[in-house]
Amino acid sequence: GAVVSQHPSRVICKSGTSVKIECRSLDFQATTMFWYRQFPKQSLMLMATSNEGSKATYEQGVEKDKFLINHASLTLSTLTVTSAHPEDSSFYICSARDGRQPSVGTQYFGPGTRLTVL
Amino acid sequence: KQEVTQIPAALSVPEGENLVLNCSFTDSAIYNLQWFRQDPGKGLTSLLLIQSSQREQTSGRLNASLDKSSGRSTLYIAASQPGDSATYLCAVIGLYNTDKLIFGTGTRLQVFP
Repeated sequence: GAVVSQHPSRVICKSGTSVKIECRSLDFQATTMFWYRQFPKQSLMLMATSNEGSKATYEQGVEKDKFLINHASLTLSTLTVTSAHPEDSSFYICSARDGRQPSVGTQYFGPGTRLTVL
Repeated sequence: KQEVTQIPAALSVPEGENLVLNCSFTDSAIYNLQWFRQDPGKGLTSLLLIQSSQREQTSGRLNASLDKSSGRSTLYIAASQPGDSATYLCAVIGLYNTDKLIFGTGTRLQVFP
């Protein structure tokens, strides 16, 4: 089955620092990757969609200069939270679509990254 | 704008009970609807996917139904077990943006022995 990994699983950082989160598709080529954010006891909100080799498309209200997304290869996307502040503390989840599968809506989710900004 | 709501927000039941989780969506122009399971601090596991032309899907003790015209879906869990304890999320994909999963608010289920 399709597996998506995220690294790190947890990160604690000081306010003002930048944090990079990696999302990898382990056994398939992900033409499209998605980044979600989830606050405690709330649902997932899509932040951005990235296609390999092109700029990410951000959802309304998501600052693209704050959340830098790079999808340089078919198996890796990164989300960098720049100058993190406590309000950026959240659970970040990525998902990936297998380019070989035509089925709409088939996204494979990573295990998530818990970010805590002190 | 599509909005997805789930009721109840939380549910606590004894083992063995049959359960119904509800999901409603405001825009019936959907491509499909999915039910996911999320364990605490973990990612999502897809349980069932119902295409807009389908009425229901079944997998083991799980059965999901879809009434697109009324904007409703239900997830039926038969003979619940403590291992079913998790948060259940429904999500829809709209006809006009098939990249975007719009998630519901979730139902936190606890099944106690």
